[in-house]
Amino acid sequence: GNSVTQMEGPVTLSEEAFLTINCTYTATGYPSLFWYVQYPGEGLQLLLKATKADDKGSNKGFEATYRKETTSFHLEKGSVQVSDSAVYFCALSVSGATNKLIFGTGTLLAVQP
Amino acid sequence: GAGVSQTPSNKVTEKGKYVELRCDPISGHTALYWYRQSLGQGPEFLIYFQGTGAADDSGLPNDRFFAVRPEGSVSTLKIQRTERGDSAVYLCASSETGGELFFGEGSRLTVL
Repeated sequence: GNSVTQMEGPVTLSEEAFLTINCTYTATGYPSLFWYVQYPGEGLQLLLKATKADDKGSNKGFEATYRKETTSFHLEKGSVQVSDSAVYFCALSVSGATNKLIFGTGTLLAVQP
Repeated sequence: GAGVSQTPSNKVTEKGKYVELRCDPISGHTALYWYRQSLGQGPEFLIYFQGTGAADDSGLPNDRFFAVRPEGSVSTLKIQRTERGDSAVYLCASSETGGELFFGEGSRLTVL
């Protein structure tokens, strides 16, 4: 079946540190891949996406590259800020008709000043 | 506001009671989704509406769960004979057909 596996948290970093949150997927067909972010007290927001192999999604300094050969979509940021503290969810969608999303379990990121 | 609105934000009920959760999607969005997020887990798909019809209800866990969208806008998720295991945050999202999903802040259900 279709599934997403992401690294468990919490991830605790100091401000300006480099961030990587690993995400791998299993899917039939050709999925689109997403990173969503949930800030404290807010709803899920789309952070970035990639719809085909080798595409790179980017937003707010975050990047992720769709790697078909390793079935991965790791999230990276070169220099995190306290305001990046949130829960990050990797997700995939394999059905173009419904856009139904399948999520990973989420990774809590805590950035300390 | 212009976002997805969910009410109530918090609901506490007793085991065996009936619960309704409401979702007001973004105006003009034809697609509407319900997800359930248990503690420490990612959101799990429940049901998808395209217009008034449920195009995919494969995620509903059992026949105690039902959802409607009679006029193609507001949707209600209905849970009968609630159980403690139903405690979770219920998320609603809407989108234009094939477009980005926009999520509400969720309704936190606690079944005592």
